[in-house]
Amino acid sequence: SQQGEEDPQALSIQEGENATMNCSYKTSINNLQWYRQNSGRGLVHLILIRSNEREKHSGRLRVTLDTSKKSSSLLITASRAADTASYFCATDRAQGGSEKLVFGKGTKLTVNP
Amino acid sequence: DAGVTQSPTHLIKTRGQHVTLRCSPISGHKSVSWYQQVLGQGPQFIFQYYEKEERGRGNFPDRFSARQFPNYSSELNVNALLLGDSALYLCASSLYRRRTNEKLFFGSGTQLSVL
Repeated sequence: SQQGEEDPQALSIQEGENATMNCSYKTSINNLQWYRQNSGRGLVHLILIRSNEREKHSGRLRVTLDTSKKSSSLLITASRAADTASYFCATDRAQGGSEKLVFGKGTKLTVNP
Repeated sequence: DAGVTQSPTHLIKTRGQHVTLRCSPISGHKSVSWYQQVLGQGPQFIFQYYEKEERGRGNFPDRFSARQFPNYSSELNVNALLLGDSALYLCASSLYRRRTNEKLFFGSGTQLSVL
């Protein structure tokens, strides 16, 4: 079953605007990661935030984590047409012996030129 | 350096047939995981292999099996294919079996269509 739920399911913006995607999850986690997927192909890791961190930046990406609300957000600033893709949050649970990531259903982002 | 490679990229099978999907991890990576992604959904964990042993299994029927070879490459086998097995199958590799805060490197996937 899916652990996370991204919101919104789809987002369409103009180039230069900011895009914000949200993710909620259900159980305690070690960390939360965001991945990007172009056209239904392989996923690319974007950023990882640990459970004891509240905010992290990487280039035009900003991720926040609120463990009390079990939620995270991904902000892409000054979006470009090349940012058009699906974005998934994935949680690494606090317990368990295998390296299993639990993904949400994703947000499909369209950036219009 | 080569990334995670998967073969074939596309596959068409009929119900009841068997399929084998292949994955080569990044050089030096010892852990391989398999995920199934149905259209419109996020990837779902199927298996993890580390040092040639199964280390984790998701909620999939016994028709799904996998193995890892001494060179750390891996095969995913699916028997008695059902229409619902149509999906993108993703392989991911990582250096360790489990290390907090380690990311996965994904291949481009095998698109399986069951008719």
